[in-house]
Amino acid sequence: SYVLTQPPSVSVAPGKTARITCVENNIGDKSVHWYQWKPGQAPLMVIYYDTDRPSGIPERFSGSNSGNTATLIISRVEAGDEADYYCQVWDSGSGHHVFGTGTKVTVL
Amino acid sequence: EVQLVESGGGLIQPGGSLRLSCAASGFTFHTFDMHWVRQAPGKGLEWVSGIDSTGATYYPDSVKGRFSVSRDYAKKSLSLQMSNLRAGDTAVYYCVRENSRYFDLWGRGTLVTVSS
Repeated sequence: SYVLTQPPSVSVAPGKTARITCVENNIGDKSVHWYQWKPGQAPLMVIYYDTDRPSGIPERFSGSNSGNTATLIISRVEAGDEADYYCQVWDSGSGHHVFGTGTKVTVL
Repeated sequence: EVQLVESGGGLIQPGGSLRLSCAASGFTFHTFDMHWVRQAPGKGLEWVSGIDSTGATYYPDSVKGRFSVSRDYAKKSLSLQMSNLRAGDTAVYYCVRENSRYFDLWGRGTLVTVSS
């Protein structure tokens, strides 16, 4: 199995851009999905298949995936974006799903 | 309404067994792969089991041999039988629907506490 490594925390000022990385060897060969988790709420998917955005998710959320790093980008950050964010992949070899270590985004 | 509702959590002693249930409604249950994901206190998310539409099951090494996932198509329910529970299994357990390798529907979770 493998570990998807994320920074424990990211701090960003309102209106600025937050970048959350998800690192693993050759993660660019896999599809990465991103979830936003706020206390007391069910997780909300914000990006799927590296770059696709579910309906209802603002265009401020985008993603990329290449080489060893997948990135969730939150542009024009708002106070409501403060949450924990997790990346997730499916490993076709084992049939297992793996979550990243999680990143707490703090809006200053 | 499309939803997943978990039940069965509680306080259990180390070495004990517990069965979690998840009631699905509002969608064609038999066509989706279903999973259990947990979050231990202060920790991140961990996938702990999956069952596809054919009934094939999958587990990470951390629970293999101790956890068993099953589904009842008629009752539209998902179950997780947990045995030989350890303190490290203490977590909120979520029932989750998979849609093309990502998770698009989550329950509110049920708390399992393993402690003497």
